[in-house]
Amino acid sequence: QKEVEQDPGPLSVPEGAIVSLNCTYSNSAFQYFMWYRQYSRKGPELLMYTYSSGNKEDGRFTAQVDKSSKYISLFIRDSQPSDSATYLCAMSATGGSYIPTFGRGTSLIVHP
Amino acid sequence: GAVVSQHPSWVICKSGTSVKIECRSLDFQATTMFWYRQFPKQSLMLMATSNEGSKATYEQGVEKDKFLINHASLTLSTLTVTSAHPEDSSFYICSARQTGGTYEQYFGPGTRLTVT
Repeated sequence: QKEVEQDPGPLSVPEGAIVSLNCTYSNSAFQYFMWYRQYSRKGPELLMYTYSSGNKEDGRFTAQVDKSSKYISLFIRDSQPSDSATYLCAMSATGGSYIPTFGRGTSLIVHP
Repeated sequence: GAVVSQHPSWVICKSGTSVKIECRSLDFQATTMFWYRQFPKQSLMLMATSNEGSKATYEQGVEKDKFLINHASLTLSTLTVTSAHPEDSSFYICSARQTGGTYEQYFGPGTRLTVT
């Protein structure tokens, strides 16, 4: 079992839909949880981060962490074609080098 | 702020030659930089962690003599792919962690290497 599991998709939705992206993990030491957006042939861009459990909202994006279930989510409201990209979750433990473990990414396609 | 650049963005080289990729933090100092490799539709694979002024730490399975990393200053790390072969063709991405920072990494735009 991989430390971080993420469905690669693709996930295809119509413009305006609410998108739910998820990751599960097995390492209970993870405390920092991040979501990156990566456009084709570009480097990842940090979208959201949370520490420990809870929700965090930023505009159309909401990140949720459920440590009891080892499950994290990213919600995108009012999705736009410009949101079409690959979304990678990443997580790291505290202390040490904080080197994150990445999921393989979910490809999202928002069609007009 | 927190911009990381990579050069070149795309390079084609012949088998057996060496290629150097530069990673620069433009508006912050980065004690630690990371080098990743990414295959199509796959996640980022960490190759090595580069610390300014010291030897890089390579992940298991990554040949340190093939992928030479130098982090000579707080804003520049280089990755040299020596004696490149077609199987080294990939997307190489660097990231930088701000000096004094913890978990947050800022990624470069990536370099696509094609070895013919």
